[in-house]
Amino acid sequence: AQSVAQPEDQVNVAEGNPLTVKCTYSVSGNPYLFWYVQYPNRGLQFLLKYITGDNLVKGSYGFEAEFNKSQTSFHLKKPSALVSDSALYFCAVSAVGYSTLTFGKGTMLLVSP
Amino acid sequence: DSGVTQTPKHLITATGQRVTLRCSPRSGDLSVYWYQQSLDQGLQFLIQYYNGEERAKGNILERFSAQQFPDLHSELNLSSLELGDSALYFCASSVPAGGPGNEQFFGPGTRLTVL
Repeated sequence: AQSVAQPEDQVNVAEGNPLTVKCTYSVSGNPYLFWYVQYPNRGLQFLLKYITGDNLVKGSYGFEAEFNKSQTSFHLKKPSALVSDSALYFCAVSAVGYSTLTFGKGTMLLVSP
Repeated sequence: DSGVTQTPKHLITATGQRVTLRCSPRSGDLSVYWYQQSLDQGLQFLIQYYNGEERAKGNILERFSAQQFPDLHSELNLSSLELGDSALYFCASSVPAGGPGNEQFFGPGTRLTVL
């Protein structure tokens, strides 16, 4: 079985500061990892994914994520947060043999002006 | 706009009733996924269809069923509704292969309220 943990329900950061949203995963075999963002009353939007290759993945809106196999982590990062980044962020995992995604519970990111 | 459409946007109904939620995937996508999002359960995968055939099943109740039609749109049927079924229901689609490395594109959701 595969699972995802997002240990923080909420992350608070000031605009202009770097942000990190944490994610750890458990899966059999090599993982496929994803980050999605959900704005209020909207569906989830794909941000980025890791399949293989470079451990640092760049995605939409200036976000990036670092895959760490030894720590089974895939933390989402951005060098300089914007107020408009405030939203709910979901980490998800899949693997060979699974056609579906398993999502974490989500982390609310609040960026203050 | 993801290209995935869902109707209706909002649905209010009573306990014991039956409703149908509709989803049209992005043009060319063969896989359709249904999810339920609630405050206490988070985002739960319900079921996946690929080109008309059921591909995977998640935490879907027996009172719920789905199908995917030849034109690839999908419907999620919820029956004998209970208060606890109140949630946001999302549909997602993915590129033709629908494999584990492919990102899913989500529709705007249907908010179901059971009174």
